[in-house]
Amino acid sequence: DAKTTQPTSMDCAEGRAANLPCNHSTISGNEYVYWYRQIHSQGPQYIIHGLKNNETNEMASLIITEDRKSSTLILPHATLRDTAVYYCIVRGGLRGAAGNKLTFGGGTRVLVKP
Amino acid sequence: DGGITQSPKYLFRKEGQNVTLSCEQNLNHDAMYWYRQDPGQGLRLIYYSQIVNDFQKGDIAEGYSVSREKKESFPLTVTSAQKNPTAFYLCASSIWGRASGTDTQYFGPGTRLTVL
Repeated sequence: DAKTTQPTSMDCAEGRAANLPCNHSTISGNEYVYWYRQIHSQGPQYIIHGLKNNETNEMASLIITEDRKSSTLILPHATLRDTAVYYCIVRGGLRGAAGNKLTFGGGTRVLVKP
Repeated sequence: DGGITQSPKYLFRKEGQNVTLSCEQNLNHDAMYWYRQDPGQGLRLIYYSQIVNDFQKGDIAEGYSVSREKKESFPLTVTSAQKNPTAFYLCASSIWGRASGTDTQYFGPGTRLTVL
């Protein structure tokens, strides 16, 4: 699986959009970009994923660059409950275990401030 | 409610004792996974199972064992052979079998194991 690089931490003002960058310059053509978040002492929560096109759901938007070497997770209106560690993960589109394993790096620690 | 349950939330054991962590899902998912998380670290895969009665080692399987006798259950035993068992243990599940291998994993709330 391709490695990802994320900022260690970032602050965001409540009510503003939070833009979380992720670099994955070695991503291959069949690898997906996944985002999870983990609130302290809880299990990771799935947010969104994408391959090439931008994606949006009720939680967030995912913007993937045309060359697919980086992406940005956008939380449109951050709330205090969005304070968490956000993980950007690249997963292989391979059949079997190699494609299904999630490799979590250090993530970005996001603090939403009032 | 549909979801993944793990019990107990906190578990304390004496060194040298085996301990079994429970994971149950009612999502009708084929695949189940066990991860370990140490403080300030990401998750590492211990074991996974694609179907009933079959499971595979992950990256850090030494000192752990699993079983998959039922689709909805995937218990993890931390044995006395595991040198540093104190950690946060997370169970996940997903659909399996699609060619793309991109099925989303959903996580349980975790069990925090402390070995004294």
